[in-house]
Amino acid sequence: DGGITQSPKYLFRKEGQNVTLSCEQNLNHDAMYWYRQDPGQGLRLIYYSQIVNDFQKGDIAEGYSVSREKKESFPLTVTSAQKNPTAFYLCASKRQGSADVNIQYFGAGTRLSVL
Amino acid sequence: AQSVAQPEDQVNVAEGNPLTVKCTYSVSGNPYLFWYVQYPNRGLQFLLKYITGDNLVKGSYGFEAEFNKSQTSFHLKKPSALVSDSALYFCAVRDIAWGNNRLAFGKGNQVVVIP
Repeated sequence: DGGITQSPKYLFRKEGQNVTLSCEQNLNHDAMYWYRQDPGQGLRLIYYSQIVNDFQKGDIAEGYSVSREKKESFPLTVTSAQKNPTAFYLCASKRQGSADVNIQYFGAGTRLSVL
Repeated sequence: AQSVAQPEDQVNVAEGNPLTVKCTYSVSGNPYLFWYVQYPNRGLQFLLKYITGDNLVKGSYGFEAEFNKSQTSFHLKKPSALVSDSALYFCAVRDIAWGNNRLAFGKGNQVVVIP
């Protein structure tokens, strides 16, 4: 069963706490992405990675961190520096240099709320 | 910067009537354009893309989109809407400022199909 798996589906964060959202893909995709979705604002890019051990900041990286130690995995940590973390977080992946150019495939999302 | 605009917040349509979701774009160079659909509490699903070729692009679930270069538009259409088409629809454009690696998303349009 191929695809992108995000966990957990729901996550609650206490003030001052760091939390980590998991994203795993078995599509053998090179590039992976994290987006934040807020009502009425569409998707905003947090971080992306084109290759293992390399990643770039997106438009709203402050208060977030990522790692890309394995091709299949791209976890996102929401740090205590992110003062407004309540949102729906989406992970996506994409092949590089294929006929399906630029098609990103998405996981089911993690909804993060602050206690 | 490359961008797309989705001017309507919500589109209401009666079941069986034609559905149109509007998108205009602003790019330098040739646009790569995409439509995605999101059902409640789920990730985005790819519907269709325009890269080059015929201006009318056919996609999943009976959707199609028409690329109009003179009007810089890429409207999504379906001849006969179903209640199950009720969802959030996103238009996106390849952001060439970042090479082949990023998409810029619109804010989304909520479609409500009324039985």
